[in-house]
Amino acid sequence: AQSVTQPDIHITVSEGASLELRCNYSYGATPYLFWYVQSPGQGLQLLLKYFSGDTLVQGIKGFEAEFKRSQSSFNLRKPSVHWSDAAEYFCAVVGPADYKLSFGAGTTVTVRA
Amino acid sequence: SAVISQKPSRDICQRGTSLTIQCQVDSQVTMMFWYRQQPGQSLTLIATANQGSEATYESGFVIDKFPISRPNLTFSTLTVSNLSPEDSSIYLCSVNNRDSLNTEAFFGQGTRLTVV
Repeated sequence: AQSVTQPDIHITVSEGASLELRCNYSYGATPYLFWYVQSPGQGLQLLLKYFSGDTLVQGIKGFEAEFKRSQSSFNLRKPSVHWSDAAEYFCAVVGPADYKLSFGAGTTVTVRA
Repeated sequence: SAVISQKPSRDICQRGTSLTIQCQVDSQVTMMFWYRQQPGQSLTLIATANQGSEATYESGFVIDKFPISRPNLTFSTLTVSNLSPEDSSIYLCSVNNRDSLNTEAFFGQGTRLTVV
């Protein structure tokens, strides 16, 4: 069965500092990988996705993620965070032959001034 | 992309009653799903809404508690029955259109249910 681990429950970062959110997955083959963001009281918005090809993917809002097959990881990064990046971030996977997403537990990001 | 309208956005219900949540998509989609997000938790898949047939439920979820309809390729409803405070959660509709090259899941804004 596929699973997703987000080791960091909560991260606090200063505005303007860099941010990295960790995501590790367990799957028999290379799944499709996603990062979603959920702002308070909002639904989920897709930040970026990886299916194949270039292992460094660019997303919206200045985010990027790198797929590392050897580490079964898909970490999310942003060079300089803005106060509006305070939100809950979810990593998710789905198998190439499946439709059902499996989500990690989420990482709450707090941005301090 | 797909635009999903989910109604209601929030509700407060008495225990023992039921709430029906609607999910309307602006285009025909292959797959529709219902998720639950309990307070402070991640998303858990409740079921896959199948067009023209009974929904497929995940372990721990049953049709009597979470009846689902999907009369066509753009609409689905989830009913949460016999409400208890433990049902207080956010319920999200999701759609996925897959072709040979791409797949992406889109989510509604969610329905925040509070049971009192």
